[in-house]
Amino acid sequence: AQSVTQLDSQVPVFEEAPVELRCNYSSSVSVYLFWYVQYPNQGLQLLLKYLSGSTLVKGINGFEAEFNKSQTSFHLRKPSVHISDTAEYFCAVTLNSGNTPLVFGKGTRLSVIA
Amino acid sequence: KAGVTQTPRYLIKTRGQQVTLSCSPISGHRSVSWYQQTPGQGLQFLFEYFSETQRNKGNFPGRFSGRQFSNSRSEMNVSTLELGDSALYLCASSLTGMKTYEQYFGPGTRLTVT
Repeated sequence: AQSVTQLDSQVPVFEEAPVELRCNYSSSVSVYLFWYVQYPNQGLQLLLKYLSGSTLVKGINGFEAEFNKSQTSFHLRKPSVHISDTAEYFCAVTLNSGNTPLVFGKGTRLSVIA
Repeated sequence: KAGVTQTPRYLIKTRGQQVTLSCSPISGHRSVSWYQQTPGQGLQFLFEYFSETQRNKGNFPGRFSGRQFSNSRSEMNVSTLELGDSALYLCASSLTGMKTYEQYFGPGTRLTVT
């Protein structure tokens, strides 16, 4: 079965600084990878996804992630964060057959400091 | 297009009672998935319904059940509530159900069991 590890439960960062949220996965077969964001009192919103092709994936709100198969990682990055990026971020994986449930990491709380 | 709606948004129940939560998917979406989110366990998959049939099921006791109606609206029921059932219950819908990565989440129902 696949699993996801988000290495940092909390990441504080100053406004306009870059940020990287780390995600590692475990699976014996090929997977699809996702990052979701959850703002307070809201559901999850898809930031970006990797299905195939280019390993550098660009998403909404200026975020991007890089799929590294050898490292089994899918780290999320943003070159300059804003206060409005303060939220919980979840990495998720599913088998590339596309009809199995998403498995989520425990989440990383990003706090942007003015 | 209206998003995924969940009712009620907040609910307080007493241990031993039962509860029913409702989810209305995006118009045209035929698949509905349910997730439980808690601080300790994170996001865990409950079940998925597609065209009124349960297609996937997570590792939850039989007290958790669900159903889907012909208009794709879904309900989940929890019987004999326990304190540990306190959580945010998220519903997600997708177009075909065969590609679960295209999921759109509702705002959730916050259930508190006292």
